[in-house]
Amino acid sequence: GAGVSQSPRYKVAKRGQDVALRCDPISGHVSLFWYQQALGQGPEFLTYFQNEAQLDKSGLPSDRFFAERPEGSVSTLKIQRTQQEDSAVYLCASSLASGGVNSPLHFGNGTRLTVT
Amino acid sequence: DAKTTQPTSMDCAEGRAANLPCNHSTISGNEYVYWYRQIHSQGPQYIIHGLKNNETNEMASLIITEDRKSSTLILPHATLRDTAVYYCIVRAFGNEKLTFGTGTRLTIIP
Repeated sequence: GAGVSQSPRYKVAKRGQDVALRCDPISGHVSLFWYQQALGQGPEFLTYFQNEAQLDKSGLPSDRFFAERPEGSVSTLKIQRTQQEDSAVYLCASSLASGGVNSPLHFGNGTRLTVT
Repeated sequence: DAKTTQPTSMDCAEGRAANLPCNHSTISGNEYVYWYRQIHSQGPQYIIHGLKNNETNEMASLIITEDRKSSTLILPHATLRDTAVYYCIVRAFGNEKLTFGTGTRLTIIP
């Protein structure tokens, strides 16, 4: 079946531009996560949704980062006034249930953002 | 969540068993051990998880010591496609997010 889909696969932005990254989770998955992965590092948590509710945004690095999931399905991560330090791979993951240790996270292949 | 310690890199010959260790000496009773791997240019892929009993699935086996302070992921017959970064993660029951470390870079040698 279809996995987590992210678009675009690659994005190049000039410093100061706004970008929007899209995530289509697996159908029926309640939980959705965004992670940021710098080169050579493990993924770092950004934010988490349960259906349309954003329950944890503790990992968002600044107020330039904003995420939404208005209908509890597709999610968008928006970065305003991009900076060079925002260059990274942005990963989206979804899981079937909330709070369930038997609901592993399924990741997409990410969007590689390069800010020039 | 408890912190994990893994070797930075390992090599394994193709066809042999790959044994990847992980230390989690501060693990608490409600924390599970998860393993994910990340192949180049892909997102992390779930492999297996367990609480205190050994677990096996079609991908791998997970051996957790009796005191739960360490575990080993076993890939029984490694292939070149198993070359990846392997992450050992401790996740508390009810905690939604996964906290990744830097993992072990496993290279399968032909």
